[in-house]
Parts: sequence; structure tokens; C-alpha cells
Amino acid sequence: EDQVTQSPEALRLQEGESSSLNCSYTVSGLRGLFWYRQDPGKGPEFLFTLYSAGEEKEKERLKATLTKKESFLHITAPKPEDSATYLCAVQIYNQGGKLIFGQGTELSVKP
Amino acid sequence: EPEVTQTPSHQVTQMGQEVILRCVPISNHLYFYWYRQILGQKVEFLVSFYNNEISEKSEIFDDQFSVERPDGSNFTLKIRSTKLEDSAMYFCASSELTLTGELFFGEGSRLTVL
Repeated sequence: EDQVTQSPEALRLQEGESSSLNCSYTVSGLRGLFWYRQDPGKGPEFLFTLYSAGEEKEKERLKATLTKKESFLHITAPKPEDSATYLCAVQIYNQGGKLIFGQGTELSVKP
Repeated sequence: EPEVTQTPSHQVTQMGQEVILRCVPISNHLYFYWYRQILGQKVEFLVSFYNNEISEKSEIFDDQFSVERPDGSNFTLKIRSTKLEDSAMYFCASSELTLTGELFFGEGSRLTVL
């Protein structure tokens, strides 16, 4: 069964304290892996697309990386406005465009 | 900045009633989706729609569910006879390209079935 697991479930950081979120996947054929940010009561907001092992994408304080079994979202010197739930999702070959989401990591950054 | 808009933001209904959730996707997007998120659980795919047809649907999307694009701008999700377990946040999303994981989500419609 195709599965996406994120860890930790929740992460509390002090402002400026860098860390990483993990997304591990067990799927039949990965077409792409995607990171989204979700603020409370809002819809997911697209962050990154990763297609192949070794690929990296960056945006401000965030950097996403991909290996053959997992992806990391590195947060460098986070600020309180980075507080949100970060969702990982995968797309699988021969399953159309649907995304399979992980349960998310709830990040809280304290000033 | 273009955005996906959804109405209503919150709907309360009695079990067995029909509900229609509405969405206005981004105007130049051609691919439309419904996802749902039960409180405290993962975001789950329901259905994708292109060229006035369902492209793909999940096991959740049974005969009680239907989607429609009644005009050039709206995209609707109908639940014919709501059940308690249909209570969730329903997200509409759209994309410019097919097979892309870059979806633009609306803010969601919270459905509460009593």
C-alpha cells in the first residue's frame, strides 16, 4: 500500500533555531514529491516540487531535498511567521494526478 | 493574485440532506479537484475533473457524490444524502497543467452533519 509518513508530528523551535522535517514514503512508483504549507483554517499552499533523488529546491528560509526513500524540509533560522503545518504529498505513476498526503508536521516558532 | 474561492465557508446540515459546495477555480486553469480533510486527519483526494469529465476518483467518491461544472466559472461538489462521517473540511483546487502536483487550493468549506 502506498504510504506517506511525516515526522515529527509537532515541532517547537525558538526563533533562529534551525531544524528539519522528515517525509518518508513507500510507493509503487514515485512521479513527484511536493511540499505544502497549511495555516490554521486555510487550504494548503504549494511550496516545492521534487522529481528525482538528489534534487534540491530553496525558497527563503526553506530548502527541500529528496532521496530515494524520503524528503527533508530544512528550515534555517526560522521566524514566528514560519509557524504552520507542513504537508508532504506524493504523486504516483499510473494514478493520474491525485496527491497522497502525509499527516503533516505542525511547526511552532516562538520569538 | 488569482485565487480559488469557495462557498459556503461553513455549512451545517441534517443527516440525509443534500449539500452543494461551490468553487470558482482560477480562470485560466483547466483541471479541477476536490479534496477533503476530516478533523485531525490527512488531506484525502476525492476527485479530479477535466474537460467536463471526471478524470479520476477515489474509493471515497461513491454514488452519493457528484461533481459538475454548470457554467464557465463554477465547479460544484454535491453530496446527495449526507452522513455523519461526511463532516469534514472540503477543499477545491485547480491547476494549469495536468499531472502536476502544483495545485492551488481554496480556503475550504467546513461541512458539519448533525
